[in-house]
Amino acid sequence: DGGITQSPKYLFRKEGQNVTLSCEQNLNHDAMYWYRQDPGQGLRLIYYSQIVNDFQKGDIAEGYSVSREKKESFPLTVTSAQKNPTAFYLCATRSQGGGETQYFGPGTRLLVL
Amino acid sequence: AQSVTQLDSHVSVSEGTPVLLRCNYSSSYSPSLFWYVQHPNKGLQLLLKYTSAATLVKGINGFEAEFKKSETSFNLTKPSAHMSDAAEYFCVVSDRSGGTSYGKLTFGQGTILTVHP
Repeated sequence: DGGITQSPKYLFRKEGQNVTLSCEQNLNHDAMYWYRQDPGQGLRLIYYSQIVNDFQKGDIAEGYSVSREKKESFPLTVTSAQKNPTAFYLCATRSQGGGETQYFGPGTRLLVL
Repeated sequence: AQSVTQLDSHVSVSEGTPVLLRCNYSSSYSPSLFWYVQHPNKGLQLLLKYTSAATLVKGINGFEAEFKKSETSFNLTKPSAHMSDAAEYFCVVSDRSGGTSYGKLTFGQGTILTVHP
C-alpha cells in the first residue's frame, strides 16, 4: 500500500516537553514538507527538504527542528521553545520529476495538556 | 512574492445547485495554481491543477476551474452540489522562481463549503 503515513494521529504534549511527529513515505519522492494548520489561517510552511541530508526553514520554523537522514523519513520535533504548539500538522511530499504537485499525509493533531 | 486570497470564508448551497468558490492570486512569475479539498481531520486531496496549458481545467468529482490572467483569478465551480462535497477548499499557488524555493506552495485561508439537503 503506497503513500504517506503520519504517526501518531493524536499527540499530547506536557509543558516543557519535546515531542516528535513521524512522517514516512514509500512514493520515492525527493522533496518533503511540514505544514502547520490553524483554523482560518490555511497552511503555513515550517520546514522543507529537497534532498537527503539537506533542509531549509519555512515561514514559521521557530520552535521546531527536523532531520532528513533517509529519503523515506522526515521527522518533525516540536520543542519546548514553541509556545503555542496546539495545531494540526501535515506532512507532504513532491517528486522532483513530477512538477510542483504536493501529496499530503493524513495529519497529526497535537494538543497541549 | 506570491499570495492567494479566497474571497469567501464560508459558502452555503443547497444540494443540486451550482457551487462557486472564488480565488484571486498574485505572483511574480507565470503561476501554477491548485485547488485542494480537506474533509474534517483528514489530509488534503488534490482536486485539480493549472500549469499554463488549457485555461479551463477539469478535476475530480465534477469540479472545474478557470484561469483568468486578466482578472488574476482561479475560481472553482461545480454545476450541481452533492452532500459529499461538504468540506474545506484551499486555493494554492506554487513558487516557480527556481532554486531551493522551487515548488513551495502558498495557501489561501480556505473556504468552508456547506451543502444543505
